Amino acid sequence: DTGVSQDPRHKITKRGQNVTFRCDPISEHNRLYWYRQTLGQGPEFLTYFQNEAQLEKSRLLSDRFSAERPKGSFSTLEIQRTEQGDSAMYLCASSLSRPVENEQFFGPGTRLTVL
Amino acid sequence: AQTVTQSQPEMSVQEAETVTLSCTYDTSESDYYLFWYKQPPSRQMILVIRQEAYKQQNATENRFSVNFQKAAKSFSLKISDSQLGDAAMYFCAYRRVGANNLFFGTGTRLTVIP
Repeated sequence: DTGVSQDPRHKITKRGQNVTFRCDPISEHNRLYWYRQTLGQGPEFLTYFQNEAQLEKSRLLSDRFSAERPKGSFSTLEIQRTEQGDSAMYLCASSLSRPVENEQFFGPGTRLTVL
Repeated sequence: AQTVTQSQPEMSVQEAETVTLSCTYDTSESDYYLFWYKQPPSRQMILVIRQEAYKQQNATENRFSVNFQKAAKSFSLKISDSQLGDAAMYFCAYRRVGANNLFFGTGTRLTVIP
């Protein structure tokens, strides 16, 4: 399968714990995006990388959230001191930077439940 | 700020019939892209169709077509000859030219009745 993959698919954690999610983009895609989708809502943009550089962060990305893409390939999203409000589906997407109207391909998501 | 509104939380259609999903958006930009994404239950989101705002011609992809009304800021999706596999959440999304993030609506859950 050459699509976007995410691991784990489901994560249950207790409030206050740290969690880390991984995203593997389509291999030739140099752009990678993180979105959060809460129940009954559409995805909301969190951050995006071009290669290893994090070029944009949403105001939704509080200081408890950190994302990395150290070698310009896979990315990790860490949430520290999780809160119940962090419960959501975390979606990763990837794309090429050209052509301009590049399509974002989405992964299956990681569903986080904070107890 | 850009907003995308989908006023139909749920829609249903009889198999083989046609259904139209509504989407309106708000932007001060003149150049942008609009998208319809499909999210089947427990499966990843896939792009159904996209429209460039500078193009007057409505986009079409097989059984899927859009009605893009730029002045009215309306972007509806028509699904013809509906199939059971069309059942999913459908999200309308907007992206400004030069930007990287998508703005999504709240989605419409489509049920296809056999």
